[in-house]
Amino acid sequence: NAGVMQNPRHLVRRRGQEARLRCSPMKGHSHVYWYRQLPEEGLKFMVYLQKENIIDESGMPKERFSAEFPKEGPSILRIQQVVRGDSAAYFCASSFRGGTYEQYFGPGTRLTVT
Amino acid sequence: AQTVTQSQPEMSVQEAETVTLSCTYDTSESDYYLFWYKQPPSRQMILVIRQEAYKQQNATENRFSVNFQKAAKSFSLKISDSQLGDAAMYFCAYRENTGGGADGLTFGKGTHLIIQP
Repeated sequence: NAGVMQNPRHLVRRRGQEARLRCSPMKGHSHVYWYRQLPEEGLKFMVYLQKENIIDESGMPKERFSAEFPKEGPSILRIQQVVRGDSAAYFCASSFRGGTYEQYFGPGTRLTVT
Repeated sequence: AQTVTQSQPEMSVQEAETVTLSCTYDTSESDYYLFWYKQPPSRQMILVIRQEAYKQQNATENRFSVNFQKAAKSFSLKISDSQLGDAAMYFCAYRENTGGGADGLTFGKGTHLIIQP
């Protein structure tokens, strides 16, 4: 049973470009969470999605960031017009359901903005 | 808002000895979960142990155990018989259990654990 998959593992973008990060949850999981880890920091919650719904986006920056989890295909975290401060590791986690169910993490995508 | 504090940026221990990592948290909720995650150099987040707040018994997973003090809002991790493979960043995390959809984890800043051979 494959774990949570994230791609790409490393992404380099110039300032002003768009970054698209993909997350495929574990088989059977319909809940996805995105976290950001800045250098020397713990992970910060960004957004929680179920299929076709955003449940909690309290940790998402108000501008340039968006997330989706369509009925078919992976969850996408999209960052428009990237700036150097967006350089971080972005982790996706999935769970069978919300609430008490365990969140399983992917290997992360390291975004570097030059 | 909930906060998680790890006051030890770095800890060092001799192989085969015991080390305790500290974590405190702040919340007004009574029903929640606490976790310790390990992040080795590969950066993969690995769940080490979890504790339900309503359970008084401290969780144990092989060489890993916790000391959960609910009144003091303290949740420390004890690693016994430390092994070289235990070297990693360790993160304490909190999640409330209100059923209201606020399922995101709140993490501390981490403790870098060094194992001396």
